[in-house]
Amino acid sequence: DAGITQSPRHKVTETGTPVTLRCHQTENHRYMYWYRQDPGHGLRLIHYSYGVKDTDKGEVSDGYSVSRSKTEDFLLTLESATSSQTSVYFCAISDVGETQYFGPGTRLLVL
Amino acid sequence: KNEVEQSPQNLTAQEGEFITINCSYSVGISALHWLQQHPGGGIVSLFMLSSGKKKHGRLIATINIQEKHSSLHITASHPRDSAVYICAVPGIQGAQKLVFGQGTRLTINP
Repeated sequence: DAGITQSPRHKVTETGTPVTLRCHQTENHRYMYWYRQDPGHGLRLIHYSYGVKDTDKGEVSDGYSVSRSKTEDFLLTLESATSSQTSVYFCAISDVGETQYFGPGTRLLVL
Repeated sequence: KNEVEQSPQNLTAQEGEFITINCSYSVGISALHWLQQHPGGGIVSLFMLSSGKKKHGRLIATINIQEKHSSLHITASHPRDSAVYICAVPGIQGAQKLVFGQGTRLTINP
């Protein structure tokens, strides 16, 4: 299995609070991704990174920001969490032309 | 946007049956991905293919680029194959930006 971890694995927070999710890899892969998975929508790309300090928006980027200061870490921040951001968040990694490997997921509940 | 349609949405079968899950997409692609999501939520990449056929154990994936269609087959199905199978293709904005199908929930009864 690819070395990819997410933290925290579960989080409950209140509307309006900031939340940061962390994705960490030990594979030295170039690309890192953040997805959210919701019933009826499937997996949707939030942001991805193609290198240190290089990021791009995905399909559902509003309300989210990301940062990648090191190859191994990709952070997803919800500046002010809303109930619509309650979801399961998956991180993934890949190299050029290769398949994506997914992390175990983070369950976020915004009350 | 590349539209991805999977069929069927749900499939229940008996152990040992041959299973076929279909995926169609609207825009030409470089490669198509098949993923498996276990009941516990973990996602595993099964195949990435750009032409022809790939096989791994009892799983076979085929793709027809001209018809924009792919199939995932499972031979001699087993209850441990019960999972959600997801098809994904690159979006029109780039190969790294995948667009995912809604998934096919497969249940294999003993």
